[in-house]
Amino acid sequence: AQSVTQPDIHITVSEGASLELRCNYSYGATPYLFWYVQSPGQGLQLLLKYFSGDTLVQGIKGFEAEFKRSQSSFNLRKPSVHWSDAAEYFCAVVFTGGGNKLTFGTGTQLKVEL
Amino acid sequence: DTEVTQTPKHLVMGMTNKKSLKCEQHMGHRAMYWYKQKAKKPPELMFVYSYEKLSINESVPSRFSPECPNSSLLNLHLHALQPEDSALYLCASSHDRRQSSAGELFFGEGSRLTVL
Repeated sequence: AQSVTQPDIHITVSEGASLELRCNYSYGATPYLFWYVQSPGQGLQLLLKYFSGDTLVQGIKGFEAEFKRSQSSFNLRKPSVHWSDAAEYFCAVVFTGGGNKLTFGTGTQLKVEL
Repeated sequence: DTEVTQTPKHLVMGMTNKKSLKCEQHMGHRAMYWYKQKAKKPPELMFVYSYEKLSINESVPSRFSPECPNSSLLNLHLHALQPEDSALYLCASSHDRRQSSAGELFFGEGSRLTVL
């Protein structure tokens, strides 16, 4: 079955520390992969995307993500977290043959300690 | 202009009321979406319009009725809702429905609906 998993429900990091949010998918091929961020009471904003090619992709707000085919993972990273990064982060995928619908992971809530 | 605008931001309605949520985009996108999001959960797809035609209805109850009057506007008509329908309703748009575009959604800030 096709699925996307975010193993961490909550993560707390100190401001200035590095961040890695995990995302795994289950699929027989490489889906199209995305990370979205949602600040409290707001809509979602696309951070970055991966379709093919270079497995390290750069996004907005200083975020990057690395696609690892062998691990079926697409983890989000940031070298130095700012207090304004506190938000909900959703990994999402578009699987082929599924009507091109965007499937969201369950989300990871990021808290930043000052 | 890269915005998706949703009105109203907040709506309180009784179970017998009829109300509508509105969404507008001027990016020339040809696909528009309605999502429902409960607290601490990911968005759930409700409807997708592609070139002003309804292309996906995720088995949404008929008390929710979508409408796409033109390529820039998307409405969600609400009637006889239940308290469990209280949620954040998000509108989104994408360039089109190809696989590469279907994941690049531009979201509005949402309409927070409370059903009493």
